[in-house]
Amino acid sequence: EAQVTQNPRYLITVTGKKLTVTCSQNMNHEYMSWYRQDPGLGLRQIYYSMNVEVTDKGDVPEGYKVSRKEKRNFPLILESPSPNQTSLYFCASSSRRPSGIFSGELFFGEGSRLTVL
Amino acid sequence: TQLLEQSPQFLSIQEGENLTVYCNSSSVFSSLQWYRQEPGEGPVLLVTVVTGGEVKKLKRLTFQFGDARKDSSLHITAAQPGDTGLYLCAGVGTGFQKLVFGTGTRLLVSP
Repeated sequence: EAQVTQNPRYLITVTGKKLTVTCSQNMNHEYMSWYRQDPGLGLRQIYYSMNVEVTDKGDVPEGYKVSRKEKRNFPLILESPSPNQTSLYFCASSSRRPSGIFSGELFFGEGSRLTVL
Repeated sequence: TQLLEQSPQFLSIQEGENLTVYCNSSSVFSSLQWYRQEPGEGPVLLVTVVTGGEVKKLKRLTFQFGDARKDSSLHITAAQPGDTGLYLCAGVGTGFQKLVFGTGTRLLVSP
């Protein structure tokens, strides 16, 4: 089954304790992205990756890191989490059309709810 | 930064009623998408509109892209409880390889 898998789904942690949220897709998609969802603000992009070893900042990258060492995996790293990073996080992936243009159809994981105390 | 404003933010209606959700921006988008998100799940793509003035229908849902490609609307006819969810519009900016999401409209359809 084609899917984007995130772990953990739920996490409560404390300020300053490094954590990683993993994301894996089995659709051979080149494009992957991380979003955070907060009430009234919709989905805001944190980082995205057009291909292996190619990553770029989204709209709200502060406090986050990513890496793309393999095509299928795109982990989100919070080196020193703070309470303002309490949010619902989504990983998404997408394919390119044969023309090379980003198809635009995002496939989302089920989300990871993070609480930082 | 391109922004997409959706209205209304919340909508609570009875089964069988019609409704329209709006997605507006001052920016031009090369295409616009609508997603639906149910509790505990990620958003799922409903439709992509590409051409200014384009209208697409998905059963009881009608999507329209504005002529100037700055806005879009979603109209639901005879809403059903299964339509309950968060509706998100998302714009693909000209020259950008990423989506900009709207603020979302939370719809509740009661039996």
